[in-house]
Amino acid sequence: SQQGEEDPQALSIQEGENATMNCSYKTSINNLQWYRQNSGRGLVHLILIRSNEREKHSGRLRVTLDTSKKSSSLLITASRAADTASYFCASIRQAGTALIFGKGTTLSVSS
Amino acid sequence: GAVVSQHPSRVICKSGTSVKIECRSLDFQATTMFWYRQFPKKSLMLMATSNEGSKATYEQGVEKDKFLINHASLTLSTLTVTSAHPEDSSFYICSARDPSGGGTTGELFFGEGSRLTVL
Repeated sequence: SQQGEEDPQALSIQEGENATMNCSYKTSINNLQWYRQNSGRGLVHLILIRSNEREKHSGRLRVTLDTSKKSSSLLITASRAADTASYFCASIRQAGTALIFGKGTTLSVSS
Repeated sequence: GAVVSQHPSRVICKSGTSVKIECRSLDFQATTMFWYRQFPKKSLMLMATSNEGSKATYEQGVEKDKFLINHASLTLSTLTVTSAHPEDSSFYICSARDPSGGGTTGELFFGEGSRLTVL
């Protein structure tokens, strides 16, 4: 079963533009995480935001969390061609258990 | 960060044969590892939770006799796809949580995945 639903499913932008991806989830969470996957590769952890946080920054990444709406967004500023990848939100169902992933957004950044 | 190694990265086999995929935590001990399956352009679907020294916990709809999981040590879990068929062709990814780096709410570290093609 999947926890999150990302939108858009696919996003194409030019280098230098900002990319915003949204994630909605169904059940209550302890934290929400964002991962990146290059084509045919494993996943890389980007950022984790706890349920008592509303916004978090890491380099060019900005994540927001709205627990009342059960939604989160990932903003990548000043995008680069190297940002081309799939991005997934994920959360755990219970402490110590596996991450459950959303459907993902495929981002394509052209130079 | 912690490293999870997965092998092989690609495997092609004939229908009816069995294929074993290994997942190793290289610099930490993982009492629990997780196996995911990913179809092209799709998200990761959790298959099972691998528990060191005990039976794996399978997600609903995953055939435990088809996908055998063994977690024989604190650094190694294996997934064996038995009597493989073309519909088993997929990208399989393992992951583990470094208990020293984030405990039960921390990030997962992923292997690079294994692409299985069954002819």
